[in-house]
Amino acid sequence: KQEVTQIPAALSVPEGENLVLNCSFTDSAIYNLQWFRQDPGKGLTSLLLIQSSQREQTSGRLNASLDKSSGRSTLYIAASQPGDSATYLCAVGKAGSYQLTFGKGTKLSVIP
Amino acid sequence: EPEVTQTPSHQVTQMGQEVILRCVPISNHLYFYWYRQILGQKVEFLVSFYNNEISEKSEIFDDQFSVERPDGSNFTLKIRSTKLEDSAMYFCASSESGGSETQYFGPGTRLLVL
Repeated sequence: KQEVTQIPAALSVPEGENLVLNCSFTDSAIYNLQWFRQDPGKGLTSLLLIQSSQREQTSGRLNASLDKSSGRSTLYIAASQPGDSATYLCAVGKAGSYQLTFGKGTKLSVIP
Repeated sequence: EPEVTQTPSHQVTQMGQEVILRCVPISNHLYFYWYRQILGQKVEFLVSFYNNEISEKSEIFDDQFSVERPDGSNFTLKIRSTKLEDSAMYFCASSESGGSETQYFGPGTRLLVL
C-alpha cells in the first residue's frame, strides 16, 4: 500500500526566503505526482503535476522535482511571500489506478 | 477559468439520515472523483466514476455510499444512513482523462453528523 510522507509538518520562514518542501513515497510504481495548496477550511488548488517520466516542472516561483527511483519529490518556492502561507499537499497517482494518495501536508507560514 | 463547484458548502444532519452532496465538474471533463478529509487527517480517496459507472473505489466506499450522474452536469454522492464518523470535508474532483491528468478539486462540503 502506497504511503506518502511530508516533512516537515510545519515550517515558518521570513518573507523573501527560498524554501524546499519534501515529499516521499514508498511505492515507486507511480503514474504522476501532484502538488496542491490548501488554505484553511478551503479546497485544494493544483499547483504542479509531474508525470512519472519527467524530472521537474516549473510554474512561476514554484519548481517541483521528482526522483522516482528514490521515492522523493521536492517543491521549491523562490522568494517566499506572506500570500504563500498555506498547507502544501503532495499526492501520488499510482500506475493503473485513478486515485491519488495524499500526504498529510506541510503547513507553511511566511512571516512579513 | 473553469472550476469545480460543490453544494452545499456546509451541511448538518442527524445520525441515520440520508444526505446528498452535489458537484458540478468542469464541463469537458470525463472523470469524476470523491475524496474526503476528516479534520486533522489526510485527504482520502473514496471513488472514481467514468462513463456512468464506478471505475475504482476504496475500502471506505461501502454500501452506505453511492454516486450518480443524474444529468449532463451534476455528479452526486449519497450517504444513505449517516454515522458520526462520516463527519468530514468531502471534495469532488474532475479530470479531462484518467490516470495521468491533473485532478481539479472543488471547494468542498463540510458535513457534520450529530
